[in-house]
Amino acid sequence: ELKVEQNPLFLSMQEGKNYTIYCNYSTTSDRLYWYRQDPGKSLESLFVLLSNGAVKQEGRLMASLDTKARLSTLHITAAVHDLSATYFCAVDSLQMRFGAGTRLTVKP
Amino acid sequence: GAGVSQSPRYKVAKRGQDVALRCDPISGHVSLFWYQQALGQGPEFLTYFQNEAQLDKSGLPSDRFFAERPEGSVSTLKIQRTQQEDSAVYLCASSRDSWNEKLFFGSGTQLSVL
Repeated sequence: ELKVEQNPLFLSMQEGKNYTIYCNYSTTSDRLYWYRQDPGKSLESLFVLLSNGAVKQEGRLMASLDTKARLSTLHITAAVHDLSATYFCAVDSLQMRFGAGTRLTVKP
Repeated sequence: GAGVSQSPRYKVAKRGQDVALRCDPISGHVSLFWYQQALGQGPEFLTYFQNEAQLDKSGLPSDRFFAERPEGSVSTLKIQRTQQEDSAVYLCASSRDSWNEKLFFGSGTQLSVL
């Protein structure tokens, strides 16, 4: 059974700091997704990574994928309060299976 | 419509009652997923359709759960004889093709079983 593990599950950051969220998965897959969810809202697609070595950047967020290590990272640069949300990775292997999420709080 | 639409937004059911949750995907989208999201958890896969074909229903937690998409567009998730543990947000997502490059999620139906 495919397992998707994220860490940390909770992250409190100061504005302006950098940090990385990790997503490990247990089976071969070439497709990995990152989503953002604000409280009481639905999921918003951030990145779709479709091959080994893929790197995508949008604003202060950068995602990468290493399919050999079965690892994806979401790097946050110079965090701002607006980035406070829960971030999920998901792996597409027959089913789209999600990690438990990383609840990010950015403090002034 | 412009996005994935789910109804009702909130549903309160008495234990033992049957409920039906509706999902209107983006027009023309081939793939449709149902997920269950408990409070503070990630979405858990329930079932997947490609057009009208239900290709994977392995995530449905019991035979009380049933999903259909008879014409390849609107989908309904039905839960019979609801139990308290069924309380969750039920999310629907669709994607343009079977490659599932990008999923578009609806706002979800929050089900509370009393």
